[in-house]
Amino acid sequence: EAQVTQNPRYLITVTGKKLTVTCSQNMNHEYMSWYRQDPGLGLRQIYYSMNVEVTDKGDVPEGYKVSRKEKRNFPLILESPSPNQTSLYFCASASEPYNEQFFGPGTRLTVL
Amino acid sequence: AQSVAQPEDQVNVAEGNPLTVKCTYSVSGNPYLFWYVQYPNRGLQFLLKYITGDNLVKGSYGFEAEFNKSQTSFHLKKPSALVSDSALYFCAVRWDGAGNTPLVFGKGTRLSVIA
Repeated sequence: EAQVTQNPRYLITVTGKKLTVTCSQNMNHEYMSWYRQDPGLGLRQIYYSMNVEVTDKGDVPEGYKVSRKEKRNFPLILESPSPNQTSLYFCASASEPYNEQFFGPGTRLTVL
Repeated sequence: AQSVAQPEDQVNVAEGNPLTVKCTYSVSGNPYLFWYVQYPNRGLQFLLKYITGDNLVKGSYGFEAEFNKSQTSFHLKKPSALVSDSALYFCAVRWDGAGNTPLVFGKGTRLSVIA
């Protein structure tokens, strides 16, 4: 089954404790992206990747890092999480940037 | 800079009536336009897109959208609403420039279809 998977689905952590949210897709897609969803703000892009080893900042990259060492994986790293990073995070992939994106199920992160 | 506006936070419609969810956009080049739907506790699902060609685009679950270049709009429509259509709808746009042009989402419109 074609899908985008994210882990963990739920995470509660404390300020400053480094964490990684994994994202994997099995569709051989070139393009991958991370978004955060906050009430009243919709989805905002954090980082995206056009291909392996090619990443770029979206609208809200501060406090986040990503890497794209393999085509299928695009982890999101929070080196020192803060409470304002409490949010619902979605990973997505697409065959090309102008094609429809396939979204993962989401990761709900709470930073205390 | 590119942007998307969904002017209505909430749209209520009776089951069986036609529905419209509005979207306007601003891009510096030609737009690629998308509609996505989010059901409770789920990720976003693709509904339809406009890249080029016919201004009326048909998508999943009986939805359609009309691209209007002069009004810079891409409103989502359905002739007869179902209760199961109740969800959060997002319009998104990117422009057709080469290279790194991210997808920008609107803030979403919550659709409630009342039986």
